[in-house]
Amino acid sequence: KQEVTQIPAALSVPEGENLVLNCSFTDSAIYNLQWFRQDPGKGLTSLLLIQSSQREQTSGRLNASLDKSSGRSTLYIAASQPGDSATYLCAVTRGNKLVFGAGTILRVKS
Amino acid sequence: NAGVTQTPKFQVLKTGQSMTLQCAQDMNHEYMSWYRQDPGMGLRLIHYSVGAGITDQGEVPNGYNVSRSTTEDFPLRLLSAAPSQTSVYFCASSSSQGKLFFGSGTQLSVL
Repeated sequence: KQEVTQIPAALSVPEGENLVLNCSFTDSAIYNLQWFRQDPGKGLTSLLLIQSSQREQTSGRLNASLDKSSGRSTLYIAASQPGDSATYLCAVTRGNKLVFGAGTILRVKS
Repeated sequence: NAGVTQTPKFQVLKTGQSMTLQCAQDMNHEYMSWYRQDPGMGLRLIHYSVGAGITDQGEVPNGYNVSRSTTEDFPLRLLSAAPSQTSVYFCASSSSQGKLFFGSGTQLSVL
């Protein structure tokens, strides 16, 4: 059974700091991995989608990497801003099913 | 620009009542899915569909039914609500590349 773990569970950083969120999964036979952002009381917004054949994806200040062999992905946020405060979730896809991690709650202090 | 639309946003039920959560998407996506989100547990897959007329079970399907008569709609039915079904429910559809688009969620309380 696929299990997805996100570390840390919560993170508080000062504005401007670069930070890394971690996601690990137990079964490397995945189709893709996605990182999502969730604001309080809202739905999830897809940030980055990495196909199994790719190593990384970038969008603005966000960079996500994927290492299937070690079962790990990282989300790098450069020059963090208070508006980045949210919960970040990763999810892996195998077949037609997605498995989510519990998320990392990020707070960026101004 | 509607994307994925879920209704209602909030619902309170009594134990044993039934109800249907509605989900519609206007992006012509074949794949649609339902999740529940509980505190500290991330999202768990309830049911999914890979196209009209095709549905399958996810991780936590007990107590829920789905149908997919059209590409656009994927309703979730609670047959006999239980307090354990108190949760936030999300519907999502997926592009052919696998990118997920989520609705805004339904907060359900079962008393």
